[in-house]
Amino acid sequence: GAGVSQSPSNKVTEKGKDVELRCDPISGHTALYWYRQSLGQGLEFLIYFQGNSAPDKSGLPSDRFSAERTGGSVSTLTIQRTQQEDSAVYLCASSLEARGGYEQYFGPGTRLTVT
Amino acid sequence: GIQVEQSPPDLILQEGANSTLRCNFSDSVNNLQWFHQNPWGQLINLFYIPSGTKQNGRLSATTVATERYSLLYISSSQTTDSGVYFCAVPIKTGANNLFFGTGTRLTVIP
Repeated sequence: GAGVSQSPSNKVTEKGKDVELRCDPISGHTALYWYRQSLGQGLEFLIYFQGNSAPDKSGLPSDRFSAERTGGSVSTLTIQRTQQEDSAVYLCASSLEARGGYEQYFGPGTRLTVT
Repeated sequence: GIQVEQSPPDLILQEGANSTLRCNFSDSVNNLQWFHQNPWGQLINLFYIPSGTKQNGRLSATTVATERYSLLYISSSQTTDSGVYFCAVPIKTGANNLFFGTGTRLTVIP
């Protein structure tokens, strides 16, 4: 079946602009996760959803970052007033459940460059 | 919080050689995943292995949960095995969001 998909694959934006990144999880997966991979920080967790709710937002680096999920499927990660340090690859993953013990599958990522 | 250490950080192999990658973690876990990040950045699932041993072709993995480590074995390496290998465990007990190690960068030369 289809894997996790993300769009766009690449995004170049000017500092100060808002961007939206989209993730479409594997069908039937109730849990969805956002991670970020940047040169200096490695792979870091941002936020996860169980259904449409986000119990843990502790990984979001600032209040410029927000995410939502509607219909228990597609999720959007929004970065407002982008800064150069936001440049990174944003990865989305999904799993059957958000409880411990479920394998996560990753999408191809969105490479964000802030100029 | 949980700590994950991977070794070695870098590894260069001649094609056909075998290798062992190690992942140490600081707390008990009920989930451990090994991933291969290919040169295009895609994270490919290798193993979901909270305990025990699994094999998939030339790759196998063993996790000894009581001693808090996991090993990834690559036999008869090929140039397509090049990339970064990550292990990841849940950030905290009961959660499923993952904390990643810093990875092992493998380069297989022909």
